[in-house]
Amino acid sequence: NAGVMQNPRHLVRRRGQEARLRCSPMKGHSHVYWYRQLPEEGLKFMVYLQKENIIDESGMPKERFSAEFPKEGPSILRIQQVVRGDSAAYFCASSPRDPSYNEQFFGPGTRLTVL
Amino acid sequence: AQSVTQLGSHVSVSEGALVLLRCNYSSSVPPYLFWYVQYPNQGLQLLLKYTSAATLVKGINGFEAEFKKSETSFHLTKPSAHMSDAAEYFCAVSAPGGGYQKVTFGIGTKLQVIP
Repeated sequence: NAGVMQNPRHLVRRRGQEARLRCSPMKGHSHVYWYRQLPEEGLKFMVYLQKENIIDESGMPKERFSAEFPKEGPSILRIQQVVRGDSAAYFCASSPRDPSYNEQFFGPGTRLTVL
Repeated sequence: AQSVTQLGSHVSVSEGALVLLRCNYSSSVPPYLFWYVQYPNQGLQLLLKYTSAATLVKGINGFEAEFKKSETSFHLTKPSAHMSDAAEYFCAVSAPGGGYQKVTFGIGTKLQVIP
């Protein structure tokens, strides 16, 4: 049973470009969470999605950031017009459908560098 | 609302010495508590979790943590440090809300093990 998969593992973008980060949850998991880890900081919650629904995006910056989890395919975190401050590690986690389940399983992360 | 405070962003111990990483939490409802470990350029791996059963929780790699409600603490310990324990450790608190578990992480503690 493969774990949470994220790609790419490393992504370099120039200021103003778009970044697309992908996350495939564990098999059987229908809940996906995105976190951002800035240098020397802990993980900050960004968004929680279920298939085709954004449930909680209270941690997402108001502009340039969007997320989706389509019926088919991976979850996508999209950052438009990237700036240097977007450089960070972005982690995806997944959990099973049962809302009482208390553990999230993390992917290896995508490290975004904005030049 | 919930929060986690990790005391000491950097901790150094000698190989074979006791490891003690401190974590205090705040939660308006009975919490679930977690410790995760992150090795360089990798994702988070669950060390152990408290989910309202036994207050002393044993995890992987010889780590354990004790939930103390009166002190709102969940400190992580290991009797004898090994070089391979050098990593960053995150305490996290989770509480149900909105039909899912919302996880809040501490800023992390980097553990250095000195030979």
